[in-house]
Amino acid sequence: TQLLEQSPQFLSIQEGENLTVYCNSSSVFSSLQWYRQEPGEGPVLLVTVVTGGEVKKLKRLTFQFGDARKDSSLHITAAQPGDTGLYLCAGVPGGGYQKVTFGTGTKLQVIP
Amino acid sequence: KAGVTQTPRYLIKTRGQQVTLSCSPISGHRSVSWYQQTPGQGLQFLFEYFSETQRNKGNFPGRFSGRQFSNSRSEMNVSTLELGDSALYLCASGSGSGGTEAFFGQGTRLTVV
Repeated sequence: TQLLEQSPQFLSIQEGENLTVYCNSSSVFSSLQWYRQEPGEGPVLLVTVVTGGEVKKLKRLTFQFGDARKDSSLHITAAQPGDTGLYLCAGVPGGGYQKVTFGTGTKLQVIP
Repeated sequence: KAGVTQTPRYLIKTRGQQVTLSCSPISGHRSVSWYQQTPGQGLQFLFEYFSETQRNKGNFPGRFSGRQFSNSRSEMNVSTLELGDSALYLCASGSGSGGTEAFFGQGTRLTVV
């Protein structure tokens, strides 16, 4: 079973602060996805990283895929209340179609 | 393009009863996956259907079952409900190719009393 551990589990910060969320596994993934879920809604895809060492930026969000394709990080600069939500990483295994494994989740609260 | 539609949104059932949840994927999508989300366990994979065939299955007891119809709509059924089955059940549709984006519905909030 492939497990994805996210840290921290909970994060409460003031508006304007920076933060980093980590997603770690002992397994190698062909790609890794990050989703954000708001209360009462399903998760929505933010980004997919494919290449080891890849860095992708989405406005104030920076995503990095580890060189060994076992871990990833999400960095938010100058967090805003609209960033509040549950952040989920999801590992996509290689070798044909297999089920995606979701991480344990990081609940972020940005206080105005 | 309409999104993923799950019905009902909320459901309250009694222990021992059974329940059927429905998911209509995005038009053209042939893959439907089901997940159970609880505060303690996070997002747990139940099963995935592709072209009416179960392609992947998670580690859930046989009380949890599903099916997919020729129009790609899917249903999941839980029999002999237990209190621990209370959760948000999410359905995700996709093209069926590995690693592509999963589009989630808003979920069905099931409460077992």
